[in-house]
Amino acid sequence: GQSLEQPSEVTAVEGAIVQINCTYQTSGFYGLSWYQQHDGGAPTFLSYNALDGLEETGRFSSFLSRSDSYGYLLLQELQMKDSASYFCALTTDSWGKFQFGAGTQVVVTP
Amino acid sequence: GAGVSQSPRYKVTKRGQDVALRCDPISGHVSLYWYRQALGQGPEFLTYFNYEAQQDKSGLPNDRFSAERPEGSISTLTIQRTEQRDSAMYRCASSLGAGRNEKLFFGSGTQLSVL
Repeated sequence: GQSLEQPSEVTAVEGAIVQINCTYQTSGFYGLSWYQQHDGGAPTFLSYNALDGLEETGRFSSFLSRSDSYGYLLLQELQMKDSASYFCALTTDSWGKFQFGAGTQVVVTP
Repeated sequence: GAGVSQSPRYKVTKRGQDVALRCDPISGHVSLYWYRQALGQGPEFLTYFNYEAQQDKSGLPNDRFSAERPEGSISTLTIQRTEQRDSAMYRCASSLGAGRNEKLFFGSGTQLSVL
């Protein structure tokens, strides 16, 4: 089976940088994705890492290290609208089956 | 429609009743997924389809749960003889292709309450 671990909550001020870590245990996987979910909303896709290294998409970046069984999502220049839950997800088969972590709630304060 | 559509948005039922939850994916999307999400938790995988084929149903909790996608488009998740522990948000997602790097598009979900 697979397991993913994320911190339950992170608090930061506007303009700051936040790193959300995701550690996993799995016998094999194809990639690591990140999703954002605002209260009362649906999860929305942020990024996907198939290979080790950094993927940058605007203010958000995602990193994967297979040798360390670890990934992270970096949120830069935090804005109030970034207050949400963030989930990492493993792709566990070649057809696209995804397993999600429990999520990290990011609270941005003025 | 522009997004994944789920109906009903809310469903309240009595214990022991059967319920059917519907998902209409984005037009042309090959893969369709069902997840269950408890408050404050991540989506929990239930099952998924590529076209009309049910690729994996290992996440269905027990044989009261079943899903179908007969024509490779709309899907129905059926829960028979509902129990209070079935109460949750049920989310459907679709993806354009059937691959490991596909992004999922989630619907607004069906909030199921079993009394």
